[in-house]
Amino acid sequence: EVQLVESGGGLVQPGGSLRLSCAASGFTFSTYWMHWVRQVPGKGLVCVSRINSDGSSTNYADSVKGRFTISRDNAKNTLYLQVNSLRAEDTAVYYCVRAADSTGRLHWGQGTLVTVSS
Amino acid sequence: DIQVTQSPSTLSASVGDRVAITCRASQSISSWLAWYQQRPGKAPKLLIYKASSLESGVPSRFSGSGSGTEFTLTISGLEPDDSATYYCQQHDSFPWTFGQGTMVEI
Repeated sequence: EVQLVESGGGLVQPGGSLRLSCAASGFTFSTYWMHWVRQVPGKGLVCVSRINSDGSSTNYADSVKGRFTISRDNAKNTLYLQVNSLRAEDTAVYYCVRAADSTGRLHWGQGTLVTVSS
Repeated sequence: DIQVTQSPSTLSASVGDRVAITCRASQSISSWLAWYQQRPGKAPKLLIYKASSLESGVPSRFSGSGSGTEFTLTISGLEPDDSATYYCQQHDSFPWTFGQGTMVEI
């Protein structure tokens, strides 16, 4: 069974940093592109970043470019999102999402909440 | 970015009704569209993938159709448990984009 478990969220002051993690199991992690999607409480879903299967290629939404860094450790089956220079508008639940397999099915984690407040 | 327009934003219906939610993409996304159900405080739950494939464990009253730019999620025989917000998502190209959501009230 595919499992994605996020961690690392919490309360942080504006300008602060966090590293979010997503532990993957139940599939061959090193063969899948991975994404981070966030959701401001009570609002819609927004794609933040993606990384290819070997970590050599990354993409970011304009709103986080230069402040967020996506990475992965295929030996540890773990995806990361380093979030720096945090702003109040970065307050959201951050979800780790596995890209579709050959059937077109995607898999989501349960999310981790990041709250940016003084 | 591919724009995804979802309608309606709110839907009020009764138990047993058949309802439909529509998503339109700004360009062709083939069948790379997923539908989710989300309850407050919970992660999105996959209902339909690849436009029309029913996720395992999801009741058969949920169905998806469409390809290219127009897609529909149909719930046949609404049940009280179906009260939730529903989202569509295109995953044809980065950045993935989502519909604005449809709140279904029963």
